[in-house]
Amino acid sequence: RKEVEQDPGPFNVPEGATVAFNCTYSNSASQSFFWYRQDCRKEPKLLMSVYSSGNEDGRFTAQLNRASQYISLLIRDSKLSDSATYLCVVTSDSWGKLQFGAGTQVVVTP
Amino acid sequence: EPEVTQTPSHQVTQMGQEVILRCVPISNHLYFYWYRQILGQKVEFLVSFYNNEISEKSEIFDDQFSVERPDGSNFTLKIRSTKLEDSAMYFCASSGVAYGNTIYFGEGSWLTVV
Repeated sequence: RKEVEQDPGPFNVPEGATVAFNCTYSNSASQSFFWYRQDCRKEPKLLMSVYSSGNEDGRFTAQLNRASQYISLLIRDSKLSDSATYLCVVTSDSWGKLQFGAGTQVVVTP
Repeated sequence: EPEVTQTPSHQVTQMGQEVILRCVPISNHLYFYWYRQILGQKVEFLVSFYNNEISEKSEIFDDQFSVERPDGSNFTLKIRSTKLEDSAMYFCASSGVAYGNTIYFGEGSWLTVV
């Protein structure tokens, strides 16, 4: 079983719409959770950390469900610039050892 | 905004040759990392480095790989004898003085082994 699993997509989203997707992780001892964004052939960039209580950053909302071992990302009022691959990232016992999912591709269309 | 810089951005090398990828982490950071991403695949952890020694390494980071911080600013990844399957984007990353600080990635070095 993969440590971090994501629906690869693509999720084709009209501009202004809302899109949401999940990620599941296998290690129940996982401690920290993040969403990173990766544009084509670029480096991953931290989008937001995910906290147990759920958190919001502008149009982005992240949720963590430890019991079911999944995290989610919701993007409201999608912009063309939101088109990217969204990487679910988890750490367990070692902070710097980020475990990446393969990513969910989002394509926002005019 | 401070950033992690990597050189070269792209290198083509023949199988069996040695390659050194260079990175300048963010200046006050103390934790350094190398990750790689084979085309079309996920980003994978290679190694973490702190206090001038390897903290942790993955199964990928075998005897062909080594890291060094030769002069207090650069952080290098050496691949001793490259294989075709080493072709990938290699990302250097660094994080701050406190354990748990955000990890910032460089733009990557694209290695093609022919």
